[in-house]
Amino acid sequence: GDSVTQMEGPVTLSEEAFLTINCTYTATGYPSLFWYVQYPGEGLQLLLKATKADDKGSNKGFEATYRKETTSFHLEKGSVQVSDSAVYFCALRVYGGATNKLIFGTGTLLAVQP
Amino acid sequence: GAVVSQHPSRVICKSGTSVKIECRSLDFQATTMFWYRQFPKQSLMLMATSNEGSKATYEQGVEKDKFLINHASLTLSTLTVTSAHPEDSSFYICSASPRTSGTDTQYFGPGTRLTVL
Repeated sequence: GDSVTQMEGPVTLSEEAFLTINCTYTATGYPSLFWYVQYPGEGLQLLLKATKADDKGSNKGFEATYRKETTSFHLEKGSVQVSDSAVYFCALRVYGGATNKLIFGTGTLLAVQP
Repeated sequence: GAVVSQHPSRVICKSGTSVKIECRSLDFQATTMFWYRQFPKQSLMLMATSNEGSKATYEQGVEKDKFLINHASLTLSTLTVTSAHPEDSSFYICSASPRTSGTDTQYFGPGTRLTVL
């Protein structure tokens, strides 16, 4: 079935460090891919998305490229800030099948230290 | 931006009692609301999809008589965990899709932590 696998956390970085959170997926159809972020005490928010192969989603300095050949959608940021500390969820949505639901990874906690 | 609230944020109850969790879209009308469940170190799992004024659609393996979902208005959906047991302890999250954007857009609530003693 459709699934998302993302790296386990927590990921602890110093401010201004480079961030990569790995995400790979399995899907039978043609998925759209998403990264959601959850700040402490708040609901999940859409961070970025990509709807087809080779698309790059970007927002707030974060980027992720839809790689069909490696079935990956890794999240990157060149220089993290303390305010980026949150839980990051990779997700996919497959269209055209019996379901149109979001399928999430387990989430990766990012802690950025000053 | 669009805001979704959940109440309560955390609840502790005794085994055998029922617990109701509310999900509200504060500044938009939601034709569709979703209920998720998250166990520690696991992903969010969709439990059910509810459309305003109609019966909820439950995912495979989710007991509809145990997890009662009501979506009586365009801004409110409720999840009632009936005869709760310790294995129902979990983090419950709702999301809502605005009437204007369809289910492609989901705004999430902050979640409700349920602990059943």
